[in-house]
Amino acid sequence: IAGITQAPTSQILAAGRRMTLRCTQDMRHNAMYWYRQDLGLGLRLIHYSNTAGTTGKGEVPDGYSVSRANTDDFPLTLASAVPSQTSVYFCASSPGGDGHEQFFGPGTRLTVL
Amino acid sequence: GQNIDQPTEMTATEGAIVQINCTYQTSGFNGLFWYQQHAGEAPTFLSYNVLDGLEEKGRFSSFLSRSKGYSYLLLKELQMKDSASYLCAVRDSNYQLIWGAGTKLIIKP
Repeated sequence: IAGITQAPTSQILAAGRRMTLRCTQDMRHNAMYWYRQDLGLGLRLIHYSNTAGTTGKGEVPDGYSVSRANTDDFPLTLASAVPSQTSVYFCASSPGGDGHEQFFGPGTRLTVL
Repeated sequence: GQNIDQPTEMTATEGAIVQINCTYQTSGFNGLFWYQQHAGEAPTFLSYNVLDGLEEKGRFSSFLSRSKGYSYLLLKELQMKDSASYLCAVRDSNYQLIWGAGTKLIIKP
């Protein structure tokens, strides 16, 4: 693994189903983030984690949950998917602290029908 | 509320110079980032400004004026591969990034 990986690459999901998007980084970064990107809108923060064992809510957390059991993994779960959750989801990580950029995974394209 | 404004789309000619502007209103300021995003790909980091002035990095430069809530990204000697979206993001008082919707840059030969 080099950098950040996400799985699956894409998924079509029936409304009401539960879905977990996976994110793993091998850079030992403290902070991790989940964003969604929709056409015409900026990236919107769903949830974040500043360090293993802690999580926080972003701008659009409703319908999503996360966990951070260790430094490397930060899964995002949709408990009961709805069509408005159709989007491209990006996971990102950062060493934390001033001046450090975020590094992004390749994204997961999710369609909820 | 928090707001980042950038033009939706710009067109420029190969070999020319283009300036992409970004204005922001955020709760606090802890730095401004520019990212490049090619279609269907993840954003990648271009530049970071936290103090007023110009930061130069090869063909790309980024400028910041904190008093005006304004930044620009300057791309010189444009190449076809520079066709992409350019995202402006400001880190707010909670150290979270607030993102603009991005500027789609189209390069014509």
